Amino acid sequence: AQKITQTQPGMFVQEKEAVTLDCTYDTSDPSYGLFWYKQPSSGEMIFLIYQGSYDQQNATEGRYSLNFQKARKSANLVISASQLGDSAMYFCAIARAGETSGSRLTFGEGTQLTVNP
Amino acid sequence: DAGITQSPRHKVTETGTPVTLRCHQTENHRYMYWYRQDPGHGLRLIHYSYGVKDTDKGEVSDGYSVSRSKTEDFLLTLESATSSQTSVYFCAITSRANNNEQFFGPGTRLTVL
Repeated sequence: AQKITQTQPGMFVQEKEAVTLDCTYDTSDPSYGLFWYKQPSSGEMIFLIYQGSYDQQNATEGRYSLNFQKARKSANLVISASQLGDSAMYFCAIARAGETSGSRLTFGEGTQLTVNP
Repeated sequence: DAGITQSPRHKVTETGTPVTLRCHQTENHRYMYWYRQDPGHGLRLIHYSYGVKDTDKGEVSDGYSVSRSKTEDFLLTLESATSSQTSVYFCAITSRANNNEQFFGPGTRLTVL
């Protein structure tokens, strides 16, 4: 079984500062993928970034980067230069990939990020 | 936007009635998924499909069934709705172009009275 733990129910950051959202995972699969999603108050799920377990470099997408530490089983999301529009719930998820399963995601419980002006 | 629509977007029903939610995609994606999200929690996988007529159970499949008779449609059925199935239901696809991206539909808010 796979498990995601997000230990920060809520985080606050000042506009234009960087913030790190924590995510640790547990899996026995040798190959897996890690995802981060953003869910604003409007409710949609927005894909942010992906990291494969065999990827040598940390993933980056614009202001988002994933600090992947395999030995520690952590996949923290770093948001640089926070904006007011970054205020949202953020979910970390892990996928077991496979031919017949695609990417079945197991989610953490989320971190509510509030960006203050 | 991965061309995913869900219908209905909102539904209120009574305990014991059957309910079917529809997920429709226009980009010929192979893998489709149904998740539910309860207040204050992450999403949990109900069922998934890896092709037409190929489906399998996720972690919270009890009380739900699915069907996929066409590539573009993935239906989730609650045979006899219960109040514990009040939730927001999300459909998702794995991108055909990039197997590492999973995109979600807008969600269906279901209330069972």
